[in-house]
Amino acid sequence: DGGITQSPKYLFRKEGQNVTLSCEQNLNHDAMYWYRQDPGQGLRLIYYSQIVNDFQKGDIAEGYSVSREKKESFPLTVTSAQKNPTAFYLCASRRKGAGVGDEQFFGPGTRLTVL
Amino acid sequence: GQQLNQSPQSMFIQEGEDVSMNCTSSSIFNTWLWYKQDPGEGPVLLIALYKAGELTSNGRLTAQFGITRKDSFLNISASIPSDVGIYFCAGPRLRGGATNKLIFGTGTLLAVQP
Repeated sequence: DGGITQSPKYLFRKEGQNVTLSCEQNLNHDAMYWYRQDPGQGLRLIYYSQIVNDFQKGDIAEGYSVSREKKESFPLTVTSAQKNPTAFYLCASRRKGAGVGDEQFFGPGTRLTVL
Repeated sequence: GQQLNQSPQSMFIQEGEDVSMNCTSSSIFNTWLWYKQDPGEGPVLLIALYKAGELTSNGRLTAQFGITRKDSFLNISASIPSDVGIYFCAGPRLRGGATNKLIFGTGTLLAVQP
């Protein structure tokens, strides 16, 4: 089945440690996105990538880094510079092209807790 | 900048009741998307609207693209317990014609009592 996978589902880290969240898709989508969701709030865009080897900062990129070496993969690193990293992280992807809609499709999310 | 305001913020209803929620903006949108998020899961796309005035159904769900292009509505008929979750509206940001990014509303929390 085609879809988006995120791993792990739950992640615990000590304060000051970097941590990398995985996002993989087999939908052959060009664009991929990372969002952060805090309790009672909507989704905020961290980074996005429209093509391999290219990515742009979203609204809250400080303290995060990404890479896009393969079309299928878009890992997110939460660095020690992120002041409040505990949150629910969502990865999404979107097909691009003429006549394609704006729909993004989401993975199941990773809940990161920094102790 | 573009913002999406959803109302109500939360709803507590009895099973079998109909539900209505809306999403409004001071800016014009060319697309309206409605997602549902179950607790601890990623959002799932319910309905996509691409034309002003469009009315689209997906089972018990019906969504409408407002004529002014500044609002959208989602209705759920005969609610059931599995309708519980957070419903988000979303639309593409407009910056220089590019629509690669979505802006999301703050969500409507729906609770259904059996």
